[in-house]
Formats: sequence, C-alpha cells, structure tokens
Amino acid sequence: AQSVTQLGSHVSVSEGALVLLRCNYSSSVPPYLFWYVQYPNQGLQLLLKYTSAATLVKGINGFEAEFKKSETSFHLTKPSAHMSDAAEYFCAVTPTGYGNKLVFGAGTILRVKS
Amino acid sequence: DAGVTQSPTHLIKTRGQQVTLRCSPKSGHDTVSWYQQALGQGPQFIFQYYEEEERQRGNFPDRFSGHQFPNYSSELNVNALLLGDSALYLCASSLKGGPGNTIYFGEGSWLTVV
Repeated sequence: AQSVTQLGSHVSVSEGALVLLRCNYSSSVPPYLFWYVQYPNQGLQLLLKYTSAATLVKGINGFEAEFKKSETSFHLTKPSAHMSDAAEYFCAVTPTGYGNKLVFGAGTILRVKS
Repeated sequence: DAGVTQSPTHLIKTRGQQVTLRCSPKSGHDTVSWYQQALGQGPQFIFQYYEEEERQRGNFPDRFSGHQFPNYSSELNVNALLLGDSALYLCASSLKGGPGNTIYFGEGSWLTVV
C-alpha cells in the first residue's frame, strides 16, 4: 500500500532560518503528493500539491517542495522561517486508483524560535 | 464562498452512547470524506461518499456509519462509543474525478468520550 514517511516528529528553527521538512513516499508509480498545515485547534489547510505537472511546486506562504523520483522524496522548504509558520505539517499521498482519498504521514511539528 | 463547515465543534459523550456529526461541503463539491485524527497522529481515512453512496472505506469497524444527502451534505454516526473514539473528526470535500483534485477540510469536530 502506498504511504508516506515524515522524518522527524519535531523540528526547531530560528526565525529567519531555512525550514526543511522531510517526506518520503512509497509508490511504484508516480503518485499525487500533498503538504497540509494544521494550526493549533484548527483543520487542515493545503499548502501545495504535486500532480506531475512540474517537479518544483510552489505553494502558499512562501513554501515550496521538490518531487525527486530517484530519492522518492517530496521535502517541504521555506527560505526564511517566520514565527507564524509554527504549526504541524502533514505530508499526504493519494493511493493509485483510490480517487480523492488521502493517506497522511504522522506529521512534523515545526517550532520557530525568536 | 463558505468552505467546509462542520457541527458541532466540541462535544462530550459517555461510553456506549451514540453520536452524529454533520458536514456541509464547499460550494460546488459533490464528494465528502471523513477522517479521524487522534491526538498526536495524522488523520486516518474513515470513508467517502459520492452520489449518496459509500464509495470507499478505511479500516474502521461497522460502528462507524455515514450518510450523504441530496444536497451533498453528510453525517458521520458512531455507535457504542469507546474511550478510543475520542479524537478530532475532520470532514473533507472535493469534486469527484481525478486524484489530483484539491481536497478541502473543515475545522473539525472534537469528540471526547468519558
């Protein structure tokens, strides 16, 4: 079954530093991949999605992710962290043949230090 | 344009009771899915409804059931509540079709079983 693995349940960065959140997927065919953000006590908001149109995907709030087939990775980055980026981030994949269903990773909590 | 709306936002139930959660999809969306997010975990797919029928189901017991109405709104019912059912229940909506369609989430319903 297709799945995603997020490396690091907690990541801490200083304000202004690079943000790198890691996600690896398991799939024998090119998958559809997503990054969602969840602020405390809120639902999920889509940051960006990969649907095979371009390997570098730009999302909201200055985030971007690069699809690397050779590494089966879809890591999320942001050049300069802001205090408002503190949240939990989820990588997700749509399993082949399962339409609009998402399989989520365990999540990574991002802490931004001032 | 209202997004995905869910009710109630919080509720407390006793073991053995039954609960109904409600969801109105984003305007124009015809597919509704439900997810369970336990504390500290990623959301887990419960089931998906399209054209008033359950189309996909995750690994959840029959105590979890649902319904979709002609106006595309949906209900999630959980019978014989267990302590382990305490979680955030998220409703998601999308357009039926390609797996790359954007999936929008509501703010969720927090269920506490005591």
